[in-house]
Amino acid sequence: EIVLIQSPDTLSLSPGERATLSCRASQDVFSSFLAWYRQTPGQPPRLLIFGASDRATGIPDRFSGSGSGTDFTLVINRLEPEDVGVYFCQQYARSPYTFGQGTKLEIK
Amino acid sequence: EVQVVQSGAEVKKPGESLKISCQTSGYPFTDYWIGWVRQMPGKDLEWMGIIYPGDSDARYSPSFEGHVTISADKSINTAYLHWSSLKTSDTAIYYCARHRRNSRYSAFGNWGQGTLVTVSS
Repeated sequence: EIVLIQSPDTLSLSPGERATLSCRASQDVFSSFLAWYRQTPGQPPRLLIFGASDRATGIPDRFSGSGSGTDFTLVINRLEPEDVGVYFCQQYARSPYTFGQGTKLEIK
Repeated sequence: EVQVVQSGAEVKKPGESLKISCQTSGYPFTDYWIGWVRQMPGKDLEWMGIIYPGDSDARYSPSFEGHVTISADKSINTAYLHWSSLKTSDTAIYYCARHRRNSRYSAFGNWGQGTLVTVSS
């Protein structure tokens, strides 16, 4: 199965700063079938990015995804307090469609 | 509007059986894959498997195959996750989610609220 490793484990930034989250796959994620989700306490995950770089409905353009192959990045510009949460990447190129272990984003 | 509504919390004993449900609306139920994701307390998300309600084609993660069964009832737009014999290690929140597009290769676009399953003697 494809193992996804996210870094860093925790990111603590101030409002207005830029967050850069990484997701590295153990094998090629073909067709860039990679998604990003955010989860806040007590809530289900919410889809942010699919196809490595396409924003889901209602996601502001402060969020951008990039990458291909085995290295993917989620960038969040101009951080806002509402961006706090745990961010997970997921590959859906090869079953089982595995998730990364998550990056916790804190806003100072 | 797509809606995904899961059944309520369950408390069970080890060895008991359980079936939790996921009812959807707002789209053709048979056209989109639906999946189940486990989240143990304070832990990561684990992809368990998916089902295509159109023909009940189900795909499982090797980590869960043989321990759970995923099924769907087209007549009531509902997917299920079933255990025949629960273990204490099955204690977790279980999320149901629909694929964003009508393809096997898709992210989860719509999520249920989660079902907390507690297994304790």
